[in-house]
Amino acid sequence: DQQVKQNSPSLSVQEGRISILNCDYTNSMFDYFLWYKKYPAEGPTFLISISSIKDKNEDGRFTVFLNKSAKHLSLHIVPSQPGDSAVYFCAASGDSGGGADGLTFGKGTHLIIQP
Amino acid sequence: DADVTQTPRNRITKTGKRIMLECSQTKGHDRMYWYRQDPGLGLRLIYYSFDVKDINKGEISDGYSVSRQAQAKFSLSLESAIPNQTALYFCATSDYKGEQYFGPGTRLTVT
Repeated sequence: DQQVKQNSPSLSVQEGRISILNCDYTNSMFDYFLWYKKYPAEGPTFLISISSIKDKNEDGRFTVFLNKSAKHLSLHIVPSQPGDSAVYFCAASGDSGGGADGLTFGKGTHLIIQP
Repeated sequence: DADVTQTPRNRITKTGKRIMLECSQTKGHDRMYWYRQDPGLGLRLIYYSFDVKDINKGEISDGYSVSRQAQAKFSLSLESAIPNQTALYFCATSDYKGEQYFGPGTRLTVT
């Protein structure tokens, strides 16, 4: 059973507009959430994270929102740029002190930024 | 230089062969991980290690073994490769913060 779900395999957004990527989770023990970005032929790179004690974390063009009651988080990218085209993975950990058990990943969303 | 390196980057092997994938890191992290990625399935955890004396199985450890030779080195072995182990393999490291840093991946094909 999938504990981290990204229900949109792909998303197309026009350059300059807002991209919103969604993620749902089922395990209430998760308390640390991360977004990774992956280009072809490269490993995932860390983008932004949020602890369960917060509901929002912002870093430049990237903002992650967490709704614990709905077990839902989203990544907002604004404005979207061509270099943002990549696969985005949502990940969760039950150990905010270090991801000791590894991360549980969603299947990813392929974001395509249209010129 | 990359913080997390993996060798080889690509490998084609035959069913039944033993193969080792190697990972080295210069980040000074104690924790290291091996994941595999299959199309449409995201990344799944194979093994993880807190330090040289600590090895733990992940979600899909069957058919794999690991060795933590030093703080900076963590290798993954397939004792007898089978075709459904064809995948992308990623090594990762982390410190207490939880963010994991990934290597570039090894594309393994078992024929």
